[in-house]
Amino acid sequence: AQKVTQAQTEISVVEKEDVTLDCVYETRDTTYYLFWYKQPPSGELVFLIRRNSFDEQNEISGRYSWNFQKSTSSFNFTITASQVVDSAVYFCALSESPGNTGKLIFGQGTTLQVKP
Amino acid sequence: DSGVTQTPKHLITATGQRVTLRCSPRSGDLSVYWYQQSLDQGLQFLIHYYNGEERAKGNILERFSAQQFPDLHSELNLSSLELGDSALYFCASSLSGGASQFFGPGTRLTVL
Repeated sequence: AQKVTQAQTEISVVEKEDVTLDCVYETRDTTYYLFWYKQPPSGELVFLIRRNSFDEQNEISGRYSWNFQKSTSSFNFTITASQVVDSAVYFCALSESPGNTGKLIFGQGTTLQVKP
Repeated sequence: DSGVTQTPKHLITATGQRVTLRCSPRSGDLSVYWYQQSLDQGLQFLIHYYNGEERAKGNILERFSAQQFPDLHSELNLSSLELGDSALYFCASSLSGGASQFFGPGTRLTVL
């Protein structure tokens, strides 16, 4: 069965610290997609990144970076020089590929608190 | 702003009632998805429609139904509501199944 595990329930850092959010997934599919979403206190889900299983290159977008390692089934997310506005719940998700059902399987989320 | 709209933003109703949640996808997106977010279950996939046809079903209760109309907007109907149905219901859209999904602001349903 497919599963996403975000072992860190809550993380608290002080502004300007770097922080890494862990995501481990399980799937038998050879083709799949991985996602990260941000849910700020206002409640909406904000898309951050989509990565397919064939692309193991790390990605950087501003202060955000993602490390995809197929060998360890991990897709970790790092925020460099964190800011108070980064405080949110972050979700990692896995998409089933066969048949393009589009179903996203979400982890339980990691609550990040960035203190000034 | 993701471009996905959902109405209403909040809904308060009583047990046994029926409600309809509405979603308009981003311009050009053919796929619409519904998800439920609750404290005990987390974010759960309910159903996926692609261009008017049901594409995939998740753990959607029989009391819940959805449809996607020719103009691609979608409605999620929840009937015989129970206290446990209180949750945040999200709609998402994408160009097709497997593509990046963009979420609407959600409808917070409270069943009293």
